[in-house]
Amino acid sequence: QKEVEQNSGPLSVPEGAIASLNCTYSDRVSQSFFWYRQYSGKSPELIMSIYSNGDKEDGRFTAQLNKASQYVSLLIRDSQPSDSATYLCAVPTSGTYKYIFGTGTRLKVLA
Amino acid sequence: NAGVTQTPKFQVLKTGQSMTLQCAQDMNHNSMYWYRQDPGMGLRLIYYSASEGTTDKGEVPNGYNVSRLNKREFSLRLESAAPSQTSVYFCASNPTGAYSGNTIYFGEGSWLTVV
Repeated sequence: QKEVEQNSGPLSVPEGAIASLNCTYSDRVSQSFFWYRQYSGKSPELIMSIYSNGDKEDGRFTAQLNKASQYVSLLIRDSQPSDSATYLCAVPTSGTYKYIFGTGTRLKVLA
Repeated sequence: NAGVTQTPKFQVLKTGQSMTLQCAQDMNHNSMYWYRQDPGMGLRLIYYSASEGTTDKGEVPNGYNVSRLNKREFSLRLESAAPSQTSVYFCASNPTGAYSGNTIYFGEGSWLTVV
C-alpha cells in the first residue's frame, strides 16, 4: 500500500459544479495534511492545510479530514475553468522531516 | 521576495555527463528538499536536509548526491547522468521540518533531459 494514494483522474466536472478530490494515507499518527494545486509546467502551490478532524473552509475550497478512516478530501465549489489543474495531497511523515506526496488527481472543469 | 530559486531552469545532458542543480532560499528556513516529478509517479523525494550540516536519503537517492552548503543553499549533483534521470526537479524548503506541520515552499523547477 502506498503511503499516500489519490485517484489519478482525470476528474471532469462542468463549470459551476462541485469537484470532490480524495486522498487516503497509511500513517495513522499523521497530524497535518496539505493540498497543493499544480498547473501544467508550474510548481506546486499550497491551497489548503488541515490539522483537525472535520471541515475547514477557505473561500470556494473546503478540506475535510477523517483521521479514523485515514482520508482527507478537498471540495471545490462553483468550479471554474481556471481550477483545471492537478491537485496533490501531501502528508508529513510522523517524526521525520519528510513530506510524502500522492500522485495527484487531474481536474478538468468544462466550460 | 524571491523565495526558493533554482538554476538552471532547463538543461540537456548527454549520458555520462555530470551536472549540479543549484537551489537557494531566502526565507531563513531550516529544512530543504529535492524532489523529482515524473508522469504518473508524482513527487518523489530524492534527498532532504533537516538543518544546516545534515543530509538524508529519501525514496529515490540512487545516482544523486547532495550538499547543504550553508543554511540558504542545497545543491543536487548527478555524477554520471542516465536517461532514467530525465525528469523535472523541484527544490523546496520548510521552516522547521515536517514534524512541526509547516508547509513546504517549492522552487519553479528544473527540467532536465538526458539523451
